[in-house]
Order: sequence, then structure tokens, then C-alpha cells
Amino acid sequence: GEDVEQSLFLSVREGDSSVINCTYTDSSSTYLYWYKQEPGAGLQLLTYIFSNMDMKQDQRLTVLLNKKDKHLSLRIADTQTGDSAIYFCAETYMRFGAGTRLTVKP
Amino acid sequence: DAMVIQNPRYQVTQFGKPVTLSCSQTLNHNVMYWYQQKSSQAPKLLFHYYDKDFNNEADTPDNFQSRRPNTSFCFLDIRSPGLGDAAMYLCATSRVGAGSAYNEQFFGPGTRLTVL
Repeated sequence: GEDVEQSLFLSVREGDSSVINCTYTDSSSTYLYWYKQEPGAGLQLLTYIFSNMDMKQDQRLTVLLNKKDKHLSLRIADTQTGDSAIYFCAETYMRFGAGTRLTVKP
Repeated sequence: DAMVIQNPRYQVTQFGKPVTLSCSQTLNHNVMYWYQQKSSQAPKLLFHYYDKDFNNEADTPDNFQSRRPNTSFCFLDIRSPGLGDAAMYLCATSRVGAGSAYNEQFFGPGTRLTVL
């Protein structure tokens, strides 16, 4: 079947950049999404990118899309302790990765 | 605030005893979804309703059923829970327009199901 894969853990120091990577298999995905889940809360859409774009920037967030390699990444600049959460990438057809747990150390 | 509400947040049931999980939304969205999420795994779509149309995923076990009596409510029924059904169950909604592939989903906080 089609899989969305992410590494499970990432640890960074406060103020550093975080890069969370994702690979997907469905080349027909029109949109790709990043969701954030904080403890005790549901998943919340953080950002998304349309498949005809290579990059999307939104304040501290930068999404890069490499369609050829089916690789998606989320960069968080100046990572803060409040960014500690689980980040999920998702394809158009409601397939999610297992989530990357980001830990930010002071 | 408009939101997706799941009740209860924690549910304990016995092996083989039917259980129902509830989801309600105040967003007036036309699509509602149920996902199963096991520890350190991706949320797995079980089924979704597009308005009143039920869409079952091919690999969703028959043990799982769903009802959507109106726009606001959707229920997940597990007819005979097994130990392997212990998981977090996530409800989500979205507003999907005809001809648009954009599909932002709004999630509830989940119900954690324990099977004894």
C-alpha cells in the first residue's frame, strides 16, 4: 500500500532550526499538509503546500517539496519550547505519517 | 468557539462488549471522519461520511460500524471489541467543495479506548 514515512523523534536546542522530513508515495497528491499535535489536543493544521510549488514560507515555517523524490520537509526557524509537539505530514488522500515528536531543550 | 468534540475522552470496555464513541461538531462541515491511531503509528482512516454518503475503507474490519444521524453527530460503534482494538480514536471534519482537492481537516482531541 501507499505509505507516508517520517522519523519518530527529533531533539533540538531552543533557538536552533528544526527540520522534519517526510517521504510519501502517492504522486497524484495535489496538496500536502503538516499538522501539529500538542499534548491532550487534536491534530491542528499548521501549514500546507500545493503540489505545483517547490517552497512555501509562513513566518518561522518553511515547507520544501521535492516532487521528483516525493520528499517534503518542514523547517522551523528559531525553535521555541512552545514548538514541542508531534508533527504529522499528510497526503491529499487522508494518509498520515506516524508523526515526529519534536523536543526543544532550553 | 466552533469545534469538534469527542466524548468520552477515555473509555474502558470489556473484551467482546459493544462500545460506542461519539463525535459532534459545531463547524457545520459536510464531511466527518473516524481514524484509529495506535501508539507511534500513523492515524489510520476507518471510514468517512460525505454528507449522508458512507465511505468505508477497504481494510476496515466489519467489527467497526458508523452512524451519522445528522450533520452534527457521528458515532463509531465497535460491535465486539478485541484487545487489538485498544487505540486512540480520532474524529475529524472538513468542508469539501465540489471540484476542490484542498481538504483541511479539523480534529477532535480523541477518545482513548482500553479493552480489558
